[in-house]
Amino acid sequence: KQEVTQIPAALSVPEGENLVLNCSFTDSAIYNLQWFRQDPGKGLTSLLLIQSSQREQTSGRLNASLDKSSGRSTLYIAASQPGDSATYLCAVGTGANNLFFGTGTRLTVIP
Amino acid sequence: NAGVMQNPRHLVRRRGQEARLRCSPMKGHSHVYWYRQLPEEGLKFMVYLQKENIIDESGMPKERFSAEFPKEGPSILRIQQVVRGDSAAYFCASSRFGPAGDEQFFGPGTRLTVL
Repeated sequence: KQEVTQIPAALSVPEGENLVLNCSFTDSAIYNLQWFRQDPGKGLTSLLLIQSSQREQTSGRLNASLDKSSGRSTLYIAASQPGDSATYLCAVGTGANNLFFGTGTRLTVIP
Repeated sequence: NAGVMQNPRHLVRRRGQEARLRCSPMKGHSHVYWYRQLPEEGLKFMVYLQKENIIDESGMPKERFSAEFPKEGPSILRIQQVVRGDSAAYFCASSRFGPAGDEQFFGPGTRLTVL
């Protein structure tokens, strides 16, 4: 059964710092991996989708990488801003009919 | 192009009542997924539906829970005789194609509180 782990569970950084969020998964037979952002009491906003054949995806200050063989993905956020404060979720899509989610990393960017 | 719509956003029920959660997928999407997020836990898959068909309900409790996606209208997740443990955020997602490799877009969720 696929298990997704995100480390660290919480992270506080000063504004302007670059940071990396980590995601690992136990079964490398995945179709894709998605990174989401969830604000308190809100829904999920899709940030980046990486297909299994891809190594990375970029959107603005965000860059996500995927190493399928080692079961890892990272989300890199450049020049962090207070508005980036949220919980970041990693989810993998497999042959099953659903996404498997990690429990998230709660990010706080301090002005 | 409106995103995934869910209503109500907040729902309060007393133990033993029924809860009905609605989800309208994005335009052009015929695949709907329901997930549940318990307090301080990650999202867990419940059920996957296409129009008029339940494809996979492996994550849905066998009792009290049911889901449908009729030919016309939104998908509905129904919880009968709610208990306090049903209190959670319920998220709906949709995709244009099947789950394999396609991006899923999420709605804002329905937060169910059982008193």
